[in-house]
Amino acid sequence: GEDVEQSLFLSVREGDSSVINCTYTDSSSTYLYWYKQEPGAGLQLLTYIFSNMDMKQDQRLTVLLNKKDKHLSLRIADTQTGDSAIYFCAERDTDKLIFGTGTRLQVFP
Amino acid sequence: DTAVSQTPKYLVTQMGNDKSIKCEQNLGHDTMYWYKQDSKKFLKIMFSYNNKELIINETVPNRFSPKSPDKAHLNLHINSLELGDSAVYFCASGDTYYEQYFGPGTRLTVT
Repeated sequence: GEDVEQSLFLSVREGDSSVINCTYTDSSSTYLYWYKQEPGAGLQLLTYIFSNMDMKQDQRLTVLLNKKDKHLSLRIADTQTGDSAIYFCAERDTDKLIFGTGTRLQVFP
Repeated sequence: DTAVSQTPKYLVTQMGNDKSIKCEQNLGHDTMYWYKQDSKKFLKIMFSYNNKELIINETVPNRFSPKSPDKAHLNLHINSLELGDSAVYFCASGDTYYEQYFGPGTRLTVT
């Protein structure tokens, strides 16, 4: 099957780190992605990781990939109120993306 | 410059009507997509076209018919609209192996 699971909600205090988790089922996925969706807007690609990598860091974002457990995480350092949004992980299945259920991140002062 | 644009942004219509949503990309990509996001924010692919040719059709009802007049445009026509068609529809374009760029979405409300 093609199920990509995420926890629905995450609430953090401004300045703390956020960790958003994702589990996927297709072990043949070559690329895994994190997208951000702000209210009323489309999806914005934040970062992606190739399946032969364990970790990728991009400024405040760190992606960790555990292929054995089919687990992907996104860590946001020094979380800001502007980071409040829904975050989707996605895996690539040939020409299409299979999206996770989305995690709503709420950042409070 | 807008990379992927959709019109209209909002669409309110009655059951049984026929409506179209237009999408254009100026990124030079060969592949375009339509995704549907339901009220629970679950996002699922509907169609993809590569250079005007249908590649993916994810068991979408026949009432939905995509049309690609050229590789920069992928329009979505919906016949006999039903209440369950209410959703946000996203167009996207991308190259084969890396990223997909999403449009701002069209919120369709069927009453």
